Amino acid sequence: DTGVSQNPRHKITKRGQNVTFRCDPISEHNRLYWYRQTLGQGPEFLTYFQNEAQLEKSRLLSDRFSAERPKGSFSTLEIQRTEQGDSAMYLCASSRTGGYTEAFFGQGTRLTVV
Amino acid sequence: GIQVEQSPPDLILQEGANSTLRCNFSDSVNNLQWFHQNPWGQLINLFYIPSGTKQNGRLSATTVATERYSLLYISSSQTTDSGVYFCAPLYASGNTPLVFGKGTRLSVIA
Repeated sequence: DTGVSQNPRHKITKRGQNVTFRCDPISEHNRLYWYRQTLGQGPEFLTYFQNEAQLEKSRLLSDRFSAERPKGSFSTLEIQRTEQGDSAMYLCASSRTGGYTEAFFGQGTRLTVV
Repeated sequence: GIQVEQSPPDLILQEGANSTLRCNFSDSVNNLQWFHQNPWGQLINLFYIPSGTKQNGRLSATTVATERYSLLYISSSQTTDSGVYFCAPLYASGNTPLVFGKGTRLSVIA
């Protein structure tokens, strides 16, 4: 299967701990997006990359959040000093740039901060 | 800011019924996608439809970009159609990524 892959699928962590999530996009896609979704809401944009460059960050992305895509392939999203309000589903998507830009999402990582 | 409004927010249907979900958006778009979120949270692609009409089995979608809306039609609904449906425009201005509405939660009962 060559879809978007996210790991882990579930993560339970204690408040104050750091967590890191990984996203592997579809191989020929040069754009990669991170979204966060809380219960009853639509996905909210966090940040996105074109190749290894981080092009845009949402105001939702506090300084405790950092994302990287070091070689323009997989990406990591790290949350430092987690808070209960960080509990959410974290979704990754990828797409091409240019004429046909359909985005495809991974299964998500569900984070629970206790 | 960029607005995406979906209606209705909730919909309950008897199996076999038809429905129309609406998505209004506030600016010119390069692209618009419809997704179905399954009970496990994954977003499944339904349509990539910046304009015009497309059909896929019992589902079809129409986007009228000049009037800034898109419609998703579900015919002969089945219980497996239950879930949340999202539209997500990709706006023409700048590098704005897909912007999601709050979705329509559909429940199809047998």
